[in-house]
Amino acid sequence: DVKVTQSSRYLVKRTGEKVFLECVQDMDHENMFWYRQDPGLGLRLIYFSYDVKMKEKGDIPEGYSVSREKKERFSLILESASTNQTSMYLCASILAGGINEQFFGPGTRLTVL
Amino acid sequence: AQSVTQPDIHITVSEGASLELRCNYSYGATPYLFWYVQSPGQGLQLLLKYFSGDTLVQGIKGFEAEFKRSQSSFNLRKPSVHWSDAAEYFCAVGAASGTYKYIFGTGTRLKVLA
Repeated sequence: DVKVTQSSRYLVKRTGEKVFLECVQDMDHENMFWYRQDPGLGLRLIYFSYDVKMKEKGDIPEGYSVSREKKERFSLILESASTNQTSMYLCASILAGGINEQFFGPGTRLTVL
Repeated sequence: AQSVTQPDIHITVSEGASLELRCNYSYGATPYLFWYVQSPGQGLQLLLKYFSGDTLVQGIKGFEAEFKRSQSSFNLRKPSVHWSDAAEYFCAVGAASGTYKYIFGTGTRLKVLA
């Protein structure tokens, strides 16, 4: 069965802390994505990666960075967390080539105090 | 500009009633269309997808959707709603090559009355 896991379901951090959100997929997918979900705004793409060490900015990359050192793992980094980064973060992956769908992890609800 | 619009933020239906959730898109190329469901506190689960062929597609949990190119719509339907269908529903349009990026609608939250 296809699986995307995220390191934490709930996370509470303080303003200014460095935060790491980890995502792992076991499907050998090339493409991975980080989204942010806020009420009334749907899902907004932060960053995506189409190969190891490759990354591209999405629609709202400010305040975030990413790392993809291994194919199965895609990390989202908040260099200095701020209260406006309190949100639900969703990771997804998709198999390249052909007509496929994105598979999502369960999400990490991050609260920045 | 590419976009997806879900005009209904909230919908309330009685259990056993029929359901239709609206989705309109604007996309330059041939659209690949998806409906996802998100139960409270969970990630997104694919309900159904449309790429080509028959414009009426069947999905899981008794859902179906109809692609209407002339109206740029991909509405989700269910003939009889169950209490467990209460969730948030997202329509998305995506690419089947290149970056495989999706554009999501803002979601419709469904409430089911017993």
